[in-house]
Amino acid sequence: DARVTQTPRDKVTEMGQEVTMRCQPILGHNTVFWYRQTMMQGLELLAYFRNRAPLDDSGMPKDRFSAEMPDATLATLKIQPSEPRDSAVYFCASGRGVGESYNEQFFGPGTRLTVL
Amino acid sequence: EDKVVQSPLSLVVHEGDTVTLNCSYEVTNFRSLLWYKQEKKAPTFLFMLTSSGIEKKSGRLSSILDKKELSSILNITATQTGDSAIYLCAVQSTGNQFYFGTGTSLTVIP
Repeated sequence: DARVTQTPRDKVTEMGQEVTMRCQPILGHNTVFWYRQTMMQGLELLAYFRNRAPLDDSGMPKDRFSAEMPDATLATLKIQPSEPRDSAVYFCASGRGVGESYNEQFFGPGTRLTVL
Repeated sequence: EDKVVQSPLSLVVHEGDTVTLNCSYEVTNFRSLLWYKQEKKAPTFLFMLTSSGIEKKSGRLSSILDKKELSSILNITATQTGDSAIYLCAVQSTGNQFYFGTGTSLTVIP
């Protein structure tokens, strides 16, 4: 049963610490998305990749956030330094895309981040 | 300012009813419109609609894109309690930005 996995599932950290969230997309999927969800802002797209190259990361605060795909089986989202306002659930999703389109996104269970 | 507006904000229906959820948008350089369903956990992707694919159907769910009216509807027929969720609409621009609506909360009563 193929699924997107995310680690850690929960993370509590102190302000100023570095946070790294990891995502393993479904094997064979060439598109990976990072979303953030909060009660105040709802669901937001932070960044997405096609064939490991970033297609868009305009939703991401550039000064502290970075997203990478070191290889096809791993996507990472880093926050350095973390701030209390970064507290949210971070979702990774993967899918198969061709050109500019894609017809599916499968979401991981999310990482619940709390920054104290 | 680019934005996506969903209506109604919430809806309560009885099992077996048909519901229509609305999504309207003002987004420069539209590329696609996406529908998601979210229960208590992660969202589930439902449909992606583009200029070349303005109608999608999956089981009891269907969606239509009206590019002239800058809107989309999501229809759910013969609703079931398992359809209770928040339904999110998002629009992607040609610049690859995504704009999300605040969602419609649907409650289906047995």
